[in-house]
Amino acid sequence: AQKITQTQPGMFVQEKEAVTLDCTYDTSDQSYGLFWYKQPSSGEMIFLIYQGSYDEQNATEGRYSLNFQKARKSANLVISASQLGDSAMYFCAMQGGSYQLTFGKGTKLSVIP
Amino acid sequence: DSGVTQTPKHLITATGQRVTLRCSPRSGDLSVYWYQQSLDQGLQFLIQYYNGEERAKGNILERFSAQQFPDLHSELNLSSLELGDSALYFCASSDDPDIPQDTQYFGPGTRLTVL
Repeated sequence: AQKITQTQPGMFVQEKEAVTLDCTYDTSDQSYGLFWYKQPSSGEMIFLIYQGSYDEQNATEGRYSLNFQKARKSANLVISASQLGDSAMYFCAMQGGSYQLTFGKGTKLSVIP
Repeated sequence: DSGVTQTPKHLITATGQRVTLRCSPRSGDLSVYWYQQSLDQGLQFLIQYYNGEERAKGNILERFSAQQFPDLHSELNLSSLELGDSALYFCASSDDPDIPQDTQYFGPGTRLTVL
């Protein structure tokens, strides 16, 4: 069974500052993928970034980077230079041999002007 | 815009009724997934289809069923609706579900309200 844990129900960050959203996972699969999705108040789920279990380098996509520490089973999302539009729910998810995505409970990020 | 379309956007119905949610995957994607998002259960995987065939089942109730048609669009049928079925239902699609790095792209969701 796969499990994703997001321990921060809510986070605040000042505009233009960086913020780290925590995610730990548990799986017995050797090959898996880790994903972050953003859900604004409008409700859609937006794919942000992906990290493979065999990738040696941390993934980056624009202002998003994924701090992947395999031994600690963590996949934290770092958002640099926060913007007001970054205010949303953020979900960490993983996909292994079962193909389906297993999601964490999410972190609500609020960006303060 | 992910390229995945879902209709309708909102659906309000009464207990005991039956509804159908429709999803069209991104062009070229063969795999469709259905997820339910509710306040108490969070995001839960319901079912996956690949090229018309059921591939995986998650926490899908017996009152719910789905299918994927030859043109690859999918429908999720919910019957004998209960108040607890009120949720946001997402469809997602991907092109190669046999690899873990296959990214699922989500549609805008259908918000179902059961009164």
